[in-house]
Amino acid sequence: QKEVEQDPGPLSVPEGAIVSLNCTYSNSAFQYFMWYRQYSRKGPELLMYTYSSGNKEDGRFTAQVDKSSKYISLFIRDSQPSDSATYLCAMIPTDSGSARQLTFGSGTQLTVLP
Amino acid sequence: ETGVTQTPRHLVMGMTNKKSLKCEQHLGHNAMYWYKQSAKKPLELMFVYNFKEQTENNSVPSRFSPECPNSSHLFLHLHTLQPEDSALYLCASSSDGGDTQYFGPGTRLTVL
Repeated sequence: QKEVEQDPGPLSVPEGAIVSLNCTYSNSAFQYFMWYRQYSRKGPELLMYTYSSGNKEDGRFTAQVDKSSKYISLFIRDSQPSDSATYLCAMIPTDSGSARQLTFGSGTQLTVLP
Repeated sequence: ETGVTQTPRHLVMGMTNKKSLKCEQHLGHNAMYWYKQSAKKPLELMFVYNFKEQTENNSVPSRFSPECPNSSHLFLHLHTLQPEDSALYLCASSSDGGDTQYFGPGTRLTVL
């Protein structure tokens, strides 16, 4: 079993739709959760970061963490064609050293159609 | 230059060649990382350097040899690679104790 499971998609939605992206994990030591966005031919860039159960909102993006279920989600409201990218979840355990070791999901490829 | 830069952006090499990938960060960070990204697979952490010292080597074959001469530069020396080593190689950096890693654009490597 992989430590982090993420549906690779691809996922296509019409412009304006609400998008839900999800990851599940098995390691209860993971305490810090991130979503990275990776455009084609670019490196990943941090989109959202959270460390507590519940919701964190930033503009059209909401990150949700449920530690009891070992499940995290990223919601995108009013999706735009510019949101078309691969979305990667990433996690850090509590015992990670000062140079953090991230464990990534495999990424979900999202296309928002105009 | 700002952020994390990587050169070359594309590299095609034969199995008997020797080449090097270069990464430079302009963010004043102390930790640097090499990742391998293959299609449909999670990013695989290869090496971690913190204050120029290698702190992690995640069972990477010896045909990959990292070098970190200072906190701003990171190299990945390649020799006698295999076709399955073809992938996007990403460099990242972070501050000491920082959770956010900043990635470069990657080097797309093709091994013939």
